[in-house]
Amino acid sequence: ETGVTQSPTHLIKTRGQQVTLRCSSQSGHNTVSWYQQALGQGPQFIFQYYREEENGRGNFPPRFSGLQFPNYSSELNVNALELDDSALYLCASSLYTGQQFFGPGTRLTVL
Amino acid sequence: GIQVEQSPPDLILQEGANSTLRCNFSDSVNNLQWFHQNPWGQLINLFYIPSGTKQNGRLSATTVATERYSLLYISSSQTTDSGVYFCAVETLYGQNFVFGPGTRLSVLP
Repeated sequence: ETGVTQSPTHLIKTRGQQVTLRCSSQSGHNTVSWYQQALGQGPQFIFQYYREEENGRGNFPPRFSGLQFPNYSSELNVNALELDDSALYLCASSLYTGQQFFGPGTRLTVL
Repeated sequence: GIQVEQSPPDLILQEGANSTLRCNFSDSVNNLQWFHQNPWGQLINLFYIPSGTKQNGRLSATTVATERYSLLYISSSQTTDSGVYFCAVETLYGQNFVFGPGTRLSVLP
C-alpha cells in the first residue's frame, strides 16, 4: 500500500509569484484535503476534493485553488503569493468521510 | 463553527512518567483523530476514535462523544514521544477537519 506523497519538499518563491504543489493520495482513497500550517499553529483547512469536485472550503481567498485528477491525485495552486503564505502545506487522503492520512508536507517560503 | 481546545498547551516530563492530554470540542462530531507531529512536520496517525476506547502499546485514547471530550494517555514516556500532539475533529455538517492548537510535549532523559 502506497502512502500519501507530496512534492516538492521545499520551495522558495518571491512575493507575487505563483506556485503549484502536488499530492498523490493513498491507494484506494478518493478524497484529498489540503491544509496550511503556519509556524506554531495547528493546520487550517483550505479545501477538499472528492471525485474531482471541490467538496468544501475553508476561509481562504480565491487565489488558493485546486484540482483533483481521475487518479485522485491533486494540486494546490496559489497565485499572487504573499509573505503570510509562508507555511507548511499538508495534504491528506481518505475515503470520503473517515480517517485521514497525511503526507509529509511541502514547506513554502515566500520572500 | 466548531471550537477545539487542547490542554495543557505545554508539558515537560521525565522519561518514564505518564501523562494525559485532553481535547474538548464544542459540537457533535463525526470523526476524531489524534496525531503526533514529528520535528520534520509529518503528522503521524495515532488513533481514529469518534467514540469509545482504544489502545496501542503505551498509548491509549478515550472519547466520550456525549460529553464532547477526548483523552490521550501516554504511559512510560520515552524521549521519542516528544513533539506536538494534535486532536482533530470532523463535524457532522462539514467535510473538513478542525484541528486543536496542540499540546507540545517534551520528554527529558
